[in-house]
Amino acid sequence: GAGVSQSPRYKVAKRGQDVALRCDPISGHVSLFWYQQALGQGPEFLTYFQNEAQLDKSGLPSDRFFAERPEGSVSTLKIQRTQQEDSAVYLCASTRLVVLTDTQYFGPGTRLTVL
Amino acid sequence: EDQVTQSPEALRLQEGESSSLNCSYTVSGLRGLFWYRQDPGKGPEFLFTLYSAGEEKEKERLKATLTKKESFLHITAPKPEDSATYLCAVRGETSGSRLTFGEGTQLTVNP
Repeated sequence: GAGVSQSPRYKVAKRGQDVALRCDPISGHVSLFWYQQALGQGPEFLTYFQNEAQLDKSGLPSDRFFAERPEGSVSTLKIQRTQQEDSAVYLCASTRLVVLTDTQYFGPGTRLTVL
Repeated sequence: EDQVTQSPEALRLQEGESSSLNCSYTVSGLRGLFWYRQDPGKGPEFLFTLYSAGEEKEKERLKATLTKKESFLHITAPKPEDSATYLCAVRGETSGSRLTFGEGTQLTVNP
């Protein structure tokens, strides 16, 4: 594909529901990142995959957040028992190389609203 | 812990009125300073990466510079289509995989 794609673009959930957010990275990109962006703020790191291995999950805010990338391409970010404070835009980014200084290319994000 | 502070929070310019955005950072062993542009409802779009003090990069009306403590994004003769939020991010030698972003500068260029 031409760029990173994410789905759904918008998600409304009732408090306590589980949600799953999908990221399709640029084809062939080795590394994949998830970020959370609150309104009016910069993105905050959540987790990082190199191929299918989750190498850094230190930014996940609680054990309700879970991410996977089982085949080293598509990734899913799952949030269990959503809370109002989870409302944010969730961004996915990918890089072609393993080198951590490589440019991160971002998708359009999924805007999650928890009522 | 890496820290990034951007100023001003918001900037309004008239078309053609040049200005600069500031990104002050604290990081242990800089491994890259990144500038992104973000339009409403979209993800950040990559602009520049700077690696060492004294480095400069240009693209159309934008020029990014880097010192040991801060980076500037200079906008020359801006146009309304340059209106966006500009984000600065850093990665340091102890950052692992994460980028640390500032809160951004929201730029509005009026015709």
